[in-house]
Amino acid sequence: DAMVIQNPRYQVTQFGKPVTLSCSQTLNHNVMYWYQQKSSQAPKLLFHYYDKDFNNEADTPDNFQSRRPNTSFCFLDIRSPGLGDAAMYLCATSIRATNEKLFFGSGTQLSVL
Amino acid sequence: EDKVVQSPLSLVVHEGDTVTLNCSYEVTNFRSLLWYKQEKKAPTFLFMLTSSGIEKKSGRLSSILDKKELSSILNITATQTGDSAIYLCAGTFMNYGGATNKLIFGTGTLLAVQP
Repeated sequence: DAMVIQNPRYQVTQFGKPVTLSCSQTLNHNVMYWYQQKSSQAPKLLFHYYDKDFNNEADTPDNFQSRRPNTSFCFLDIRSPGLGDAAMYLCATSIRATNEKLFFGSGTQLSVL
Repeated sequence: EDKVVQSPLSLVVHEGDTVTLNCSYEVTNFRSLLWYKQEKKAPTFLFMLTSSGIEKKSGRLSSILDKKELSSILNITATQTGDSAIYLCAGTFMNYGGATNKLIFGTGTLLAVQP
């Protein structure tokens, strides 16, 4: 089945140690998103790619970076994780930029020790 | 600032009950409202509403948008334990280039259905 796959399901890192979260999709969608969801909070958009065009939200910390080497893959890099970065990170896709229906991956739960 | 507010924050019901979840929004240049179900995995799409007063149904779930009241409700009839999840509501808005794909999420309603 076509889907959005995130790896790993759970990730533990140390304070200040760089970490990369992965997302892949078999839907061939143009747009890929990264959302951060902290406990009991709404998912918050960090950035998205429309094809190779990167769109950063104004309030996304510089500590968060992203790469999209091809249509299928997108990575979230946290350069120096802090305790406040512990959260569920959700990857999502949509067919095109004007289509609001998002398809989500299962998320990566990040813990920072 | 655009925001989406959901109520109640949590709800416990018994199997067979009917529940109504609420979502209100303050979104500039509002375009659509979406409902997602989030279990221990990916949020899954339920409904997208753009027109006021038109009910959308999928099995025991239904939803309707009221643009005058800036709100939406999600109804679940004859609840089952498998309905236990967080239900997320999200609003989208129009920008100069057309519809935006940025979803503004509420914090969700945690529904627990007991046997």
